[in-house]
Amino acid sequence: KAGVTQTPRYLIKTRGQQVTLSCSPISGHRSVSWYQQTPGQGLQFLFEYFSETQRNKGNFPGRFSGRQFSNSRSEMNVSTLELGDSALYLCASSLEGGLTSNQPQHFGDGTRLSIL
Amino acid sequence: GEDVEQSLFLSVREGDSSVINCTYTDSSSTYLYWYKQEPGAGLQLLTYIFSNMDMKQDQRLTVLLNKKDKHLSLRIADTQTGDSAIYFCAERGDSNYQLIWGAGTKLIIKP
Repeated sequence: KAGVTQTPRYLIKTRGQQVTLSCSPISGHRSVSWYQQTPGQGLQFLFEYFSETQRNKGNFPGRFSGRQFSNSRSEMNVSTLELGDSALYLCASSLEGGLTSNQPQHFGDGTRLSIL
Repeated sequence: GEDVEQSLFLSVREGDSSVINCTYTDSSSTYLYWYKQEPGAGLQLLTYIFSNMDMKQDQRLTVLLNKKDKHLSLRIADTQTGDSAIYFCAERGDSNYQLIWGAGTKLIIKP
């Protein structure tokens, strides 16, 4: 069973540009979450999508957005890039079940975004 | 809101046992997870424990849960250089689809 696939693995952009990152979840997984990981801030939750709808959202500015397609694949977009957006962006997928069911998140290897 | 706390670093000698600790505040936690992150990679699920269990063992890994004190630990027996990584603790309550994450503990192995 293929794992979570994130593309691209590495990306270099300049300030003011915009970027789109892609995530393909494990087959059958309907929930996709995005995280930003930096050395100083650790793992920060961006948002979670389920059935093409944003179900949860972290405390990031509106420059960060996402969407989910009918096949559960997800993209996240960052507009007007800033130097501080340099980070590892991780995508995680999980099954959807009841709130009290076991729902571990399975992670991709991330996209390393560098802003020059 | 809910919070999960971990020490940032742990240094152990190769061959010794490592014990990584985690405390959480959510009294409605249902599942608690341990993840491992090696350099340049994503997070890998190591093990998890359901909140009605006290202990779970999986080969070299032992998870202990003290629900009264809201304390979770991960013990790695016979620590090897390949165990060098950052270990994240995460918990899930019964009213939130999201996991709440600790900041991660960097495990350093001394020869």
